[in-house]
Amino acid sequence: KQEVTQIPAALSVPEGENLVLNCSFTDSAIYNLQWFRQDPGKGLTSLLLIQSSQREQTSGRLNASLDKSSGRSTLYIAASQPGDSATYLCAPFMDSNYQLIWGAGTKLIIKP
Amino acid sequence: NAGVTQTPKFRILKIGQSMTLQCAQDMNHNYMYWYRQDPGMGLKLIYYSVGAGITDKGEVPNGYNVSRSTTEDFPLRLELAAPSQTSVYFCASSSTWGTSGTAYEQYFGPGTRLTVT
Repeated sequence: KQEVTQIPAALSVPEGENLVLNCSFTDSAIYNLQWFRQDPGKGLTSLLLIQSSQREQTSGRLNASLDKSSGRSTLYIAASQPGDSATYLCAPFMDSNYQLIWGAGTKLIIKP
Repeated sequence: NAGVTQTPKFRILKIGQSMTLQCAQDMNHNYMYWYRQDPGMGLKLIYYSVGAGITDKGEVPNGYNVSRSTTEDFPLRLELAAPSQTSVYFCASSSTWGTSGTAYEQYFGPGTRLTVT
């Protein structure tokens, strides 16, 4: 059974710092992996999707990497801003049953 | 495009009541999903559908039912509501095709916050 762990559970940093959020998963038979952002009381917004054959994907100040064989993905946020404050969720999409498996998320606070 | 829409946004139910959460998408996606999210927890899959007329159970289906008569709509029915069903419910959709490797990218609705007392 796929298990997804996100570390750290919470992170508070001053504005302007570069930071890394970690995601690990136990079953490498994934089709792709998505990173989402969730603001308090809101829905989920897709940030990046990495196919299993890709190593990384970039969108603006965000860069996500994937090492499928070791079961790891990282989300790098450059030059963090207070508007980046949210919970970040990673979810690998399984080859076996076409379902996303979710981590509990990293709650990020960027202090002005 | 409106994307994925959900109604209602909020609802309070008494124990034993029933209700239907509505979900619609206008992206012609063949896959649709229902998730629940309890406070401080990750999302759990309730039911999913790979096309009109085809549904299957996810991780936590007990107490819920679904139907998919059209590509656009995927309602979730709660029968005999219980306090354990207090949660935020999200509907999502995806397609099995996509440009630039975006197949199976999931798009989410805004959620329905349900309280059962």
